[in-house]
Amino acid sequence: QQQVKQSPQSLIVQKGGISIINCAYENTAFDYFPWYQQFPGKGPALLIAIRPDVSEKKEGRFTISFNKSAKQFSLHIMDSQPGDSATYFCAASRPDNNDMRFGAGTRLTVKP
Amino acid sequence: DAGITQSPRHKVTETGTPVTLRCHQTENHRYMYWYRQDPGHGLRLIHYSYGVKDTDKGEVSDGYSVSRSKTEDFLLTLESATSSQTSVYFCAISEVVVGHVLTGELFFGEGSRLTVL
Repeated sequence: QQQVKQSPQSLIVQKGGISIINCAYENTAFDYFPWYQQFPGKGPALLIAIRPDVSEKKEGRFTISFNKSAKQFSLHIMDSQPGDSATYFCAASRPDNNDMRFGAGTRLTVKP
Repeated sequence: DAGITQSPRHKVTETGTPVTLRCHQTENHRYMYWYRQDPGHGLRLIHYSYGVKDTDKGEVSDGYSVSRSKTEDFLLTLESATSSQTSVYFCAISEVVVGHVLTGELFFGEGSRLTVL
């Protein structure tokens, strides 16, 4: 039973477009929601994270939108670039709990 | 890049044989984790450690054991490998427990690809 559901499984976007990846969670005890980026042959790396006391967080071209009532959060990549082509994982964890739950991942391809 | 080294990076073995994967860190972080990555499942926690000789089970711990005799080393052992354990295994570290109010960042190694025939 996956506690964090991610969609779409794959995404193709033109250079300069907006990439949107969505996640939904079930456990209302989750209070930390990171996004990880993974390039082929490498380990995932933290991209951006949010806590439920805010509805949006922006870092450069990357924005997390958070909807607590709907138990959903999404990653928006503005002005997508070919270098953004990677697999993206959303995740969620409870307070001071070491078992972070990951979504299944989205493979993003940005076409030049 | 966080100083995390996984070995071996690639291994092919046969069903029923024991396998040990090693994770070595140079960051002196307290917490260490083993995850497996499979298509359609993302990353799933196998075991983690919160100190020398202190370990706990994760979501998919059956068939795996771990040991941490030194702060810098965390070993994952498959006592008798099965084909269902074919996967990419990632070691991760964190300075504080994930989800902590200060930071919950996990730093990952580059992975160990294990194939069980």
